[in-house]
Amino acid sequence: NAGVTQTPKFRILKIGQSMTLQCTQDMNHNYMYWYRQDPGMGLKLIYYSVGAGITDKGEVPNGYNVSRSTTEDFPLRLELAAPSQTSVYFCASSSRTDRVSNQPQHFGDGTRLSIL
Amino acid sequence: KNEVEQSPQNLTAQEGEFITINCSYSVGISALHWLQQHPGGGIVSLFMLSSGKKKHGRLIATINIQEKHSSLHITASHPRDSAVYICAVRSTGGSEKLVFGKGMKLTVNP
Repeated sequence: NAGVTQTPKFRILKIGQSMTLQCTQDMNHNYMYWYRQDPGMGLKLIYYSVGAGITDKGEVPNGYNVSRSTTEDFPLRLELAAPSQTSVYFCASSSRTDRVSNQPQHFGDGTRLSIL
Repeated sequence: KNEVEQSPQNLTAQEGEFITINCSYSVGISALHWLQQHPGGGIVSLFMLSSGKKKHGRLIATINIQEKHSSLHITASHPRDSAVYICAVRSTGGSEKLVFGKGMKLTVNP
């Protein structure tokens, strides 16, 4: 069972370039999340999705875009990379229904992104 | 002030020691999570609790809702327990969003 898969694991971008961080999960989870982790700081929520076709901003959405066309995939797009976006990015997923909430989040292995 | 505070920020222990990691939060919560992040970077969920105590192997997590405080205990610590331990809370109101502490780096020496 693959769980949450993120690609790529590492990437170096030049300022102004764009890229998409891929995230896919095979657990049929309806909720998916993108976080960034900066040194010495807690994870910050960038965007999240409660199901296919529905996305919403988190705590630090500026400079990013997301889409959720399928249950499995939740890509994160950086349009104009800036040095402030150098970070480690984590995708996560969880399941929630009307009868079952408060389920643990399952995390991918992260993408280490450097903007130079 | 962060909504989730962890202490200490760093801890070095000798193999076999009993370890306690603390987490305090300032908001009403529906659940608290303890997560483990190994040096390779992957994050694993250890516990999710909303009251009382949970135990898994050498790990014990407790929560006191009235005092807004949780502890993660590691008995008979081992070098493989070396990791960053992260506390996160889900606030009341029905949202699935988590607020994370900064994490506590644990090093267990042989």
